[in-house]
Amino acid sequence: DAGITQSPRHKVTETGTPVTLRCHQTENHRYMYWYRQDPGHGLRLIHYSYGVKDTDKGEVSDGYSVSRSKTEDFLLTLESATSSQTSVYFCAIGRGLETQYFGPGTRLLVL
Amino acid sequence: AQTVTQSQPEMSVQEAETVTLSCTYDTSENNYYLFWYKQPPSRQMILVIRQEAYKQQNATENRFSVNFQKAAKSFSLKISDSQLGDTAMYFCAFMKSSGNTPLVFGKGTRLSVIA
Repeated sequence: DAGITQSPRHKVTETGTPVTLRCHQTENHRYMYWYRQDPGHGLRLIHYSYGVKDTDKGEVSDGYSVSRSKTEDFLLTLESATSSQTSVYFCAIGRGLETQYFGPGTRLLVL
Repeated sequence: AQTVTQSQPEMSVQEAETVTLSCTYDTSENNYYLFWYKQPPSRQMILVIRQEAYKQQNATENRFSVNFQKAAKSFSLKISDSQLGDTAMYFCAFMKSSGNTPLVFGKGTRLSVIA
């Protein structure tokens, strides 16, 4: 979707290093989400935000933190990356009435 | 807590034929939304179709339609006149109706369309 970008798109890092993923939207939507996708699990919610500085935890939030200091950006931080956090990370926005649209994803490999 | 189950990990269909992907869910909510998302090899998540639980009429979008059975908690996706571009992972998802709540996904069905 042209209104949502994620950066970086690919990243390789080492165990124990901090990593920050960025989700940027150009449409001023209030709701933003971070999901991770792993084989055999579908997509699972990590954290979400319902406004600037308003966030809540999801199903798989351990080891992750988020921040939203302005409407257009939602940051996901792995404080100390582990191999179990190797995954594909998707950001989504809540647009209109109860519908979510997704960014292109970030593939993260933790060695 | 809500759960979504897709019982068919993989399916295949001949080009131009019709295929149905199954999805069941468990919830105590009365009002909610159901979705099918498509994920082609590019990994982009694409919304295919959306159903509001309070609407009895099944949603349709061109070649895609759903069979929504609220009492049975079933939400299947029918793809008519299958095309090679329909080859993808398909995810069923649930959302509570209290407003932009997070999605709960099934594990997906990998569909292959064969020429």
